[in-house]
Amino acid sequence: DAKTTQPTSMDCAEGRAANLPCNHSTISGNEYVYWYRQIHSQGPQYIIHGLKNNETNEMASLIITEDRKSSTLILPHATLRDTAVYYCIVRVPSGTYKYIFGTGTRLKVLA
Amino acid sequence: DVKVTQSSRYLVKRTGEKVFLECVQDMDHENMFWYRQDPGLGLRLIYFSYDVKMKEKGDIPEGYSVSREKKERFSLILESASTNQTSMYLCASSLAGGGNTEAFFGQGTRLTVV
Repeated sequence: DAKTTQPTSMDCAEGRAANLPCNHSTISGNEYVYWYRQIHSQGPQYIIHGLKNNETNEMASLIITEDRKSSTLILPHATLRDTAVYYCIVRVPSGTYKYIFGTGTRLKVLA
Repeated sequence: DVKVTQSSRYLVKRTGEKVFLECVQDMDHENMFWYRQDPGLGLRLIYFSYDVKMKEKGDIPEGYSVSREKKERFSLILESASTNQTSMYLCASSLAGGGNTEAFFGQGTRLTVV
């Protein structure tokens, strides 16, 4: 499985866009990029995933670079409730079906 | 909405006890997973199952076993609990179909072994 690298922590002002980067330089052509977040003492929550095209849903946007070696999760208007640990995961589409979590980015949204 | 339910939010067990953690999902998902989460180590995969009675070891299976007798239920068993198994345990499920299926997590069970 490809490994991911994320900053340990980030701050963002409430109401501003939060841009969370992720490097996955060893990603293969058939591996999907997933984003989850975990609010304190809860289970991880699915946010979004993509293969090579940019994706948007009601929670966030996912921008994947053309070479697929990095991606950015964008929360367009961060609120205090978005304070959480955000995990970027690269998942192989066959074989073991594993989701390999790293240590994530701790995002703090400031009032 | 997909619901993954873990039987307990908090558990306290004694060293040497046999411990059962239960997980039930209501969306007919083929895949189910057990993770443990520890500070500084992130989520680590213990076991996963891709069908009834089918299981595969994850990255840290030692000291654990699993049971999947019905599609909706996946149990994690600590044969003889030890203090180093004190942790947050998270169950998840997903559809089959390879990499394009998201996993849904339960709320977690915080297990303390004394």
